[in-house]
Amino acid sequence: DAKTTQPPSMDCAEGRAANLPCNHSTISGNEYVYWYRQIHSQGPQYIIHGLKNNETNEMASLIITEDRKSSTLILPHATLRDTAVYYCIVRVARETSGSRLTFGEGTQLTVNP
Amino acid sequence: SQTIHQWPATLVQPVGSPLSLECTVEGTSNPNLYWYRQAAGRGLQLLFYSVGIGQISSEVPQNLSASRPQDRQFILSSKKLLLSDSGFYLCAWINLRGGLTPTSDTQYFGPGTRLTVL
Repeated sequence: DAKTTQPPSMDCAEGRAANLPCNHSTISGNEYVYWYRQIHSQGPQYIIHGLKNNETNEMASLIITEDRKSSTLILPHATLRDTAVYYCIVRVARETSGSRLTFGEGTQLTVNP
Repeated sequence: SQTIHQWPATLVQPVGSPLSLECTVEGTSNPNLYWYRQAAGRGLQLLFYSVGIGQISSEVPQNLSASRPQDRQFILSSKKLLLSDSGFYLCAWINLRGGLTPTSDTQYFGPGTRLTVL
């Protein structure tokens, strides 16, 4: 699975959009970008995933650059409950590996009132 | 709907004591199951995964072991705990009904067990 680079921390004002970047310059053609988040003392929560087209769901939007070497997770109207560590993961599902996830250090997003 | 349970929620154990953490999934069948550990302020580390009953793959050599006695039950054990075993233990599953696809390859995590070894 490709390596990802994320800033260790970010701040955002409540009600504003939170834009979390992720670099994955070694991504290969069949690897997807996944985002999870972990609120303090809870298990990680899946947010969204994509291959090359922008994706949107009820939680967030995912913007992937045309060369697929970076992406941005957008929380359109951040709330205090969005304060969490956000993990960007690049991977391709492999039956032989049991499809395990590898989490890096992520970005600590703090939403301020 | 599917749910995942872990117990206990918190545990304080002395060094050298045994350990048994349990994870149970409801509402699905034949899931892949995973045990992760998260040390304070660190990312997640995969410990074990299982693709079926009695099938366990170990990712990191350690004094922990895992078992899957039933389809939706995953147990993490140790005969003698070490101080370094302290951490937040998370169980996760994925539903592979219909095959492994980028969409089905989404892991759902339990609430975790916070273990403190003294």
